Amino acid sequence: RKEVEQDPGPFNVPEGATVAFNCTYSNSASQSFFWYRQDCRKEPKLLMSVYSSGNEDGRFTAQLNRASQYISLLIRDSKLSDSATYLCVVDPSGGYNKLIFGAGTRLAVHP
Amino acid sequence: GAGVSQSPSNKVTEKGKDVELRCDPISGHTALYWYRQSLGQGLEFLIYFQGNSAPDKSGLPSDRFSAERTGGSVSTLTIQRTQQEDSAVYLCASSETVNQPQHFGDGTRLSIL
Repeated sequence: RKEVEQDPGPFNVPEGATVAFNCTYSNSASQSFFWYRQDCRKEPKLLMSVYSSGNEDGRFTAQLNRASQYISLLIRDSKLSDSATYLCVVDPSGGYNKLIFGAGTRLAVHP
Repeated sequence: GAGVSQSPSNKVTEKGKDVELRCDPISGHTALYWYRQSLGQGLEFLIYFQGNSAPDKSGLPSDRFSAERTGGSVSTLTIQRTQQEDSAVYLCASSETVNQPQHFGDGTRLSIL
């Protein structure tokens, strides 16, 4: 089993739609969680950290479910500019080792 | 402020040649990572450095790959006797400490002819 697993997609949605991605992780000791965004042929960039209580940043909401070991990202009112690959990132060992990147979920928002 | 800087941005070389890729991390960041990404694929971890600790080399695909980090700052990734399958984008990232968010450079696009 991979340490971080994501549905590769692609998710094809119209502008204005709400879309959600899930990510599961294998190590229950994981403490830090992040979502990154990677545009085509560009480097990954931090989108948001994921906190235990859930957190929101504009149209983006991240949630953590420790019992089920999954993280979610919800995007409301999708824009064309949201089209990208979204990477789930986990610290697998409670702060003592490198972050692990998922393979990413591709989102395509169309007019 | 200065981000992670990588050079060269593009490198084309013949099979069998050696290449050196450079990464200049964000000042003060103690952790530095190398990844590679083939077209349409996810990030493949190669190696990371944390302060003065021994590097984690667990992701290096063969002994043709090596990396150094001098003075806790600039890092060089060296690929010896390059093969066509080494063609990829090589990304460097740095973070304040090992479990903090990583900031990526623009990458080096390596093409082996």
